[in-house]
Amino acid sequence: QLQLQESGPGLVKPSETLSLTCTVSGGSISSSSYYWGWIRQPPGKGLEWIGSIYYSGSTYYNPSLKSRVTISVDTSKNQFSLKLSSVTAADTAVYYCARWGYDILTGYYSWFDPWGQGTLVTVSS
Amino acid sequence: NFMLTQPHSVSESPGKTVTISCTRSSGSIASNYVQWYQQRPGSSPTTVIYEDNQRPSGVPDRFSGSIDSSSNSASLTISGLKTEDEADYYCQSYDSSIVVFGGGTKLTVL
Repeated sequence: QLQLQESGPGLVKPSETLSLTCTVSGGSISSSSYYWGWIRQPPGKGLEWIGSIYYSGSTYYNPSLKSRVTISVDTSKNQFSLKLSSVTAADTAVYYCARWGYDILTGYYSWFDPWGQGTLVTVSS
Repeated sequence: NFMLTQPHSVSESPGKTVTISCTRSSGSIASNYVQWYQQRPGSSPTTVIYEDNQRPSGVPDRFSGSIDSSSNSASLTISGLKTEDEADYYCQSYDSSIVVFGGGTKLTVL
């Protein structure tokens, strides 16, 4: 059964760069049928998509975060990573990684499933 | 890009049926699949409906999804409500590979 696990610092100082890694187990990150995504949820608020990556390295980012986000993939380690620069308190959130279904024949995308358990990142000095 | 608008909250009694709407602000709701996620407090979201109206294995058939082009909206309907259905529900779609989530609806079963 596929599992995703987020890891990284739980506390980041303002203006610094938030770095998280998602480790995929029970399946290959190099499948042509999936993208891999980062989604965040500020405390008490809704879900916000950050961006997604294909095993080839192709990326899509939320336009509102694009200038600060970099998502990368390491197929040899079955991991993908998130970097968010110049963080502020507004970036405090639970960060989730998830697999995103993709039909290579039609170009249609589907559901995010499964999700990792999430990791809380607090931005504070 | 577009937005997905959901009611902030809905409530209904056990055994009844509730429908949560998700209205797309621009572009056709039918042009890209809509998903629905359930999130209980302290847990990660899980999928209850994918590709407009498909149920993952393990999701009871009390959950159903539909889209209505005339109102440019998607709906999640839960019948035979149970107290365990109390949760936040989010719709999600995309356009040009940009993902959008609705703001979420808090379902109270009382």
